[in-house]
Amino acid sequence: GQNIDQPTEMTATEGAIVQINCTYQTSGFNGLFWYQQHAGEAPTFLSYNVLDGLEEKGRFSSFLSRSKGYSYLLLKELQMKDSASYLCAVRDSNYQLIWGAGTKLIIKP
Amino acid sequence: NAGVTQTPKFRVLKTGQSMTLLCAQDMNHEYMYWYRQDPGMGLRLIHYSVGEGTTAKGEVPDGYNVSRLKKQNFLLGLESAAPSQTSVYFCASSYGQEHQPQHFGDGTRLSIL
Repeated sequence: GQNIDQPTEMTATEGAIVQINCTYQTSGFNGLFWYQQHAGEAPTFLSYNVLDGLEEKGRFSSFLSRSKGYSYLLLKELQMKDSASYLCAVRDSNYQLIWGAGTKLIIKP
Repeated sequence: NAGVTQTPKFRVLKTGQSMTLLCAQDMNHEYMYWYRQDPGMGLRLIHYSVGEGTTAKGEVPDGYNVSRLKKQNFLLGLESAAPSQTSVYFCASSYGQEHQPQHFGDGTRLSIL
């Protein structure tokens, strides 16, 4: 079967750095996406990785290792508005997105 | 630019009732998707469409039907609602299926009593 694993919940302090991990086992790989979802709202696109390495976008970076089936999302200079769930999704061999259950990130002052 | 619009936002149904959820996108996207999101689980694909007039089954299609008569609209129907269909339903659209991200509507919160 196909599986995406993420921690259920993480807590971090405002101004700090947090790394959210995602491991996957899917039938094929055609890219990995990270989305942010605030409570009661729609998921919004953060980043996309298809090749190994780090992609940086402002305070957010995403890393991929295809050989290890592993990705992480790095959030720097945390702000209270970063409190949200972060969803990892892998595009499989049929080009369908397989979604993790999401990591709820709690930011404390 | 409205993006992806879902109606209604909330609905309560009784078991056995039917209803249709509407999704409209104004981005000229070819691909459209219906997902359900349940606590502790990832988004699960119900049905999707790769273009006007086409539909295909996703991971959890049973109990749902869809239609894509116009490129901008994707309808999700529940013929005979069951309590197991209580969920938050998200519609999404994308320009393509490769590196292009999916854009989501605000969701429909559906309760089946």
